[in-house]
Amino acid sequence: GAGVSQSPSNKVTEKGKDVELRCDPISGHTALYWYRQSLGQGLEFLIYFQGNSAPDKSGLPSDRFSAERTGGSVSTLTIQRTQQEDSAVYLCASSPYMNTEAFFGQGTRLTVV
Amino acid sequence: GQQLNQSPQSMFIQEGEDVSMNCTSSSIFNTWLWYKQDPGEGPVLLIALYKAGELTSNGRLTAQFGITRKDSFLNISASIPSDVGIYFCAGVSSGGSNYKLTFGKGTLLTVNP
Repeated sequence: GAGVSQSPSNKVTEKGKDVELRCDPISGHTALYWYRQSLGQGLEFLIYFQGNSAPDKSGLPSDRFSAERTGGSVSTLTIQRTQQEDSAVYLCASSPYMNTEAFFGQGTRLTVV
Repeated sequence: GQQLNQSPQSMFIQEGEDVSMNCTSSSIFNTWLWYKQDPGEGPVLLIALYKAGELTSNGRLTAQFGITRKDSFLNISASIPSDVGIYFCAGVSSGGSNYKLTFGKGTLLTVNP
């Protein structure tokens, strides 16, 4: 597709289980961002990938959170041993190289019960 | 870390009225972006500003990059019901090839027909 694609769109999981969220960026975009948005809140930065550079992981809230980007394209955000406070919408965005205009996917709504 | 102060937090206006919202920061940014988010969707880029003092329009939207590079505003003229949503500002700081977006907490706009 032409835009950023995220899957699943909704995920309900039990507390303590691991989850994987997927992001397919726009083809050719070298930068990829993950953000978290809690109900009624702004966007909280999680992690940023730019090409082959080391990712900026400064926003990951705990060591239960990790992300990978394989082949400079698809990214997976993994949350281990989920907690109720992890419930939020997880948004992915991508942008072209040396370009600041980031385009967002529709997000994955994660609910931990 | 960098923080953006976005105001107002919410606005209730009548259809046809003009709207103004702004973001300020203690840090300098290289780029300012304005996004709109509809319920259940990811943020959509409205306007991008790249130079201090730049004034850019997109239809009924007008945004400016402050001279000090620490602030930006967005105006919406002659509001219509479909303008309803959450508006976010984002400042971009860059170091080398890394671009990091910092978001404001958003302005919730309600337009009464």
